[in-house]
Amino acid sequence: QLQLQESGPGLVKPSETLSLTCTVSGGSISSSISYWDWIRQPPGKGLEWIGSIYYTGSTYYNPSLKSRFTISVDASKNQFSLQLSSVTATDTAVFYCVRHGDTSHNWFDSWGQGTLVTVSS
Amino acid sequence: DIQMTQSPSSLSASIGDRVTITCRASQSLSNYLNWYQQKPGRAPNLLIFAASSLQRGVPSRFSGSGSGTDFTLTISSLQPEDSATYFCQQGYSIPYTFGQGTKLEIK
Repeated sequence: QLQLQESGPGLVKPSETLSLTCTVSGGSISSSISYWDWIRQPPGKGLEWIGSIYYTGSTYYNPSLKSRFTISVDASKNQFSLQLSSVTATDTAVFYCVRHGDTSHNWFDSWGQGTLVTVSS
Repeated sequence: DIQMTQSPSSLSASIGDRVTITCRASQSLSNYLNWYQQKPGRAPNLLIFAASSLQRGVPSRFSGSGSGTDFTLTISSLQPEDSATYFCQQGYSIPYTFGQGTKLEIK
């Protein structure tokens, strides 16, 4: 069974760069049918799609967000990562790594448990 | 961006009730619409994909319908474990966007 697990710091200072990693187990990140995504959810609020990456490194980002996000992949480790630069308090959220299992209708069928990142000095 | 609007924002229903949640898109999606259930402290879980297809393992009391701009998630007979927040999500175009959520409580 496919499992995804986020890891990274739970607390980041304003203006610093947040780095999160998602480790995929029970399946290969190099699957030809899957993209791998990041989605965030501020406390008590809705879901916001950040972006996608294919195992080849091809990426898609939410153009409505400022270009502070970078998604990368390390297929040899079955991991993909998210970096968010110049964080502010409004970036406080639960970050989910997700399998984007269909590139036609674009649904998200496997989710990590989520990791809460708080931006505070 | 495609805006997704769910109604109601919250509702309360009794065990055994038929419950309907609607999702409206700001432009036509064909059937590129997916539904998720999220329980407190948990990640969302895919219920319905492509507007009306039931994800494996999801109880058959859940169903989805609609096309274009108007979609519906129906729970045919509400169970205690269905207390959760439900989100619709459009997969038609980037950026993929979600509805604001519908919080379903059991009376």
